[in-house]
Amino acid sequence: GQQVMQIPQYQHVQEGEDFTTYCNSSTTLSNIQWYKQRPGGHPVFLIQLVKSGEVKKQKRLTFQFGEAKKNSSLHITATQTTDVGTYFCAGLPYNTDKLIFGTGTRLQVFP
Amino acid sequence: DAMVIQNPRYQVTQFGKPVTLSCSQTLNHNVMYWYQQKSSQAPKLLFHYYDKDFNNEADTPDNFQSRRPNTSFCFLDIRSPGLGDAAMYLCATSRDRQGVGPPQHFGDGTRLSIL
Repeated sequence: GQQVMQIPQYQHVQEGEDFTTYCNSSTTLSNIQWYKQRPGGHPVFLIQLVKSGEVKKQKRLTFQFGEAKKNSSLHITATQTTDVGTYFCAGLPYNTDKLIFGTGTRLQVFP
Repeated sequence: DAMVIQNPRYQVTQFGKPVTLSCSQTLNHNVMYWYQQKSSQAPKLLFHYYDKDFNNEADTPDNFQSRRPNTSFCFLDIRSPGLGDAAMYLCATSRDRQGVGPPQHFGDGTRLSIL
């Protein structure tokens, strides 16, 4: 079946270090969304990427959609303790209306 | 503020005793989703409604049912909860089908415990 994998599963960083999570789909995607889930919280929508090779920035966060529209990445520059949480990518394959959530990357930031 | 509201936040039930979780939305979104999320895992889609059109996932157990009496409300019924059903249940909405590309808005979730 269609799968979306993320690596790494866990990442511990010192505050101020950079962080990247990678998302890989087994199938080509029409778009990809990123969500953040704080510990004990619910997923919160961050951004959506639609175009091949698209790059979007939100302050210290940079999101990229691969040329083949099968992979994506989220890069956080100079992490802060407020960045703690699990980051999920969620892909929408063509010819379907269901998001497939990635396995998630849990980020821990030490002060 | 427009939002997705789930009640209760925490639910404890006994093994085999039916339980109903509720979700309401003030966003006037067409689509409502129910997800099951277990610890350290991604949300798993159980089913969704596009307006009144019900869509069940192939691997959703028959033990799980859903009702959407109107646009604003959606219910998740677990007929005979087992220990494996202990999880966080998330309700989400989106303005339209995902093919159009709108994001999903999640409620705070109901954490279900089974005794």
